[in-house]
Amino acid sequence: SAVISQKPSRDICQRGTSLTIQCQVDSQVTMMFWYRQQPGQSLTLIATANQGSEATYESGFVIDKFPISRPNLTFSTLTVSNMSPEDSSIYLCSMDRGTGELFFGEGSRLTVL
Amino acid sequence: GQQLNQSPQSMFIQEGEDVSMNCTSSSIFNTWLWYKQDPGEGPVLLIALYKAGELTSNGRLTAQFGITRKDSFLNISASIPSDVGIYFCAGRANNAGNMLTFGGGTRLMVKP
Repeated sequence: SAVISQKPSRDICQRGTSLTIQCQVDSQVTMMFWYRQQPGQSLTLIATANQGSEATYESGFVIDKFPISRPNLTFSTLTVSNMSPEDSSIYLCSMDRGTGELFFGEGSRLTVL
Repeated sequence: GQQLNQSPQSMFIQEGEDVSMNCTSSSIFNTWLWYKQDPGEGPVLLIALYKAGELTSNGRLTAQFGITRKDSFLNISASIPSDVGIYFCAGRANNAGNMLTFGGGTRLMVKP
């Protein structure tokens, strides 16, 4: 198992604003990922957070909307920019220690008004 | 992209009953993972499968990696109220690098 801390755990935001979510892992890991889970839906990969380089985004997600930082092997941030109500979701940080098993944080539940 | 079909979408069962859910893919997978998500929480890994035919148990949970490598099932025996939650399968295809594809989830409800 792993300890993955995310904050904020939840927030209510105004349309047009941006919010940065932080993810802290209890040990150094190579692979960190950000997922989105829309209400009542499954998980969709947003991007792979690469340490020391630009994140790798999946189809449908772009850096301008979801900028990601990965300054070291235990920490990453995801920013949801210029939010609209459609961005209301749970955003999940996850990590893989190289075993192929993905571990998740508790998620950050965003509500955009 | 990869497609994962998970069924059933939801189940409402009596406490003590056994439960079975499954996932099928359009591609050959080299890894199957099963997760449970409680309300307000992130998904928690239950079982990981890495070889075709592999059968693995975790307490009352049993999961199998299908021989064809395109399917997996999860069984829960003697269900209890705390089994309530959403169960997700996830798989990794041979040509997908580190990317996991998630099934749509099975919402389990247990009546005491």
